[in-house]
Amino acid sequence: ELKVEQNPLFLSMQEGKNYTIYCNYSTTSDRLYWYRQDPGKSLESLFVLLSNGAVKQEGRLMASLDTKARLSTLHITAAVHDLSATYFCAVDSGNQFYFGTGTSLTVIP
Amino acid sequence: DTGVSQDPRHKITKRGQNVTFRCDPISEHNRLYWYRQTLGQGPEFLTYFQNEAQLEKSRLLSDRFSAERPKGSFSTLEIQRTEQGDSAMYLCASSSLNRGNTEAFFGQGTRLTVV
Repeated sequence: ELKVEQNPLFLSMQEGKNYTIYCNYSTTSDRLYWYRQDPGKSLESLFVLLSNGAVKQEGRLMASLDTKARLSTLHITAAVHDLSATYFCAVDSGNQFYFGTGTSLTVIP
Repeated sequence: DTGVSQDPRHKITKRGQNVTFRCDPISEHNRLYWYRQTLGQGPEFLTYFQNEAQLEKSRLLSDRFSAERPKGSFSTLEIQRTEQGDSAMYLCASSSLNRGNTEAFFGQGTRLTVV
């Protein structure tokens, strides 16, 4: 079974700082997705990464994929309070999405 | 089409009762997924349809859980003889394979509370 691990599980950071969330997965896949979830809400799609070396950026968030290392990163630049949420990576195995454990991000003013 | 729609949004039921949830996917999407999410955890896969065919159901949590997608459009998830441990958010997602992109779009979920 495909395993997806994220770290850290919890992240508290000050506004204006940079940080990276890591997503490791256990078997070959070249389709990885990042989602954001606010408390009590559903999942909002952030990034679609479909090939080795893919890099996508939206505002203060940038995601990348290294399929050889089975690693994706979500980099946060100059964090703002509005980014506080839980972030999940998900790997498509072909017939289901395997989700990571999630990273709960709190941005402190 | 405004996205994946789930009904109801909230359901409170007594232990032992049956419940049924509905999911309407994005209209052109042929894949439909059901997930369960408990507090503080990532979504847990339950089952998956491609059109009307249920291609993966081994992850359904017990034989009390069943899902259908009779005409390849909307889907239902039924839980029979509910237990307190069934309390969770049930999420539906849909996707369509397009040039390798299987991005899944999620509905707002149905929050089930079993009392």
